[in-house]
Amino acid sequence: RKEVEQDPGPFNVPEGATVAFNCTYSNSASQSFFWYRQDCRKEPKLLMSVYSSGNEDGRFTAQLNRASQYISLLIRDSKLSDSATYLCVYSSASKIIFGSGTRLSIRP
Amino acid sequence: ETGVTQTPRHLVMGMTNKKSLKCEQHLGHNAMYWYKQSAKKPLELMFVYSLEERVENNSVPSRFSPECPNSSHLFLHLHTLQPEDSALYLCASSQDLAGAAGNTIYFGEGSWLTVV
Repeated sequence: RKEVEQDPGPFNVPEGATVAFNCTYSNSASQSFFWYRQDCRKEPKLLMSVYSSGNEDGRFTAQLNRASQYISLLIRDSKLSDSATYLCVYSSASKIIFGSGTRLSIRP
Repeated sequence: ETGVTQTPRHLVMGMTNKKSLKCEQHLGHNAMYWYKQSAKKPLELMFVYSLEERVENNSVPSRFSPECPNSSHLFLHLHTLQPEDSALYLCASSQDLAGAAGNTIYFGEGSWLTVV
């Protein structure tokens, strides 16, 4: 089993829609979780950290489910500018593990 | 504005050339990383440095040689590369090695390398 798995997509949704994707991880000792966003031909940038209690930042909500070992990202009222690849990231011990990313495309 | 800067942003080199990629972080971080990202592939961790000591080398070919002269600078020396080494090379830093709760990794804008 891969250390972190994401549906590669692409998710193609209309502007204004709500979209959600999950990421599963295999290491139960994982300590910190993040979502990164990567635009085409750019570096990944931190979108948000994921806390055990779940957290929200504007239209974005991140959840962590330790029992089932997954994190999720929900985007409400999606904008054209949300089109990007979303990378699931977790860290444990001395490693940071990146998922291969989920591609999201928002259409007008 | 990123706290991690990489130069050059674009590099074209022949298979017999020797070149270096440079990374500098202005964040006071203790850990620095080199990642490789090939077209349509996930990030691949290459090297990890903590307080100027290499702590991880993920079976990277010896034609890639990292150097960390101090905690804010990281180099990747390139020698006799192959066309399949063409990729985006990303430098990153974090306050400490991964694992600490809330330890966030910050990336530079990357160096686009083309080997001809």
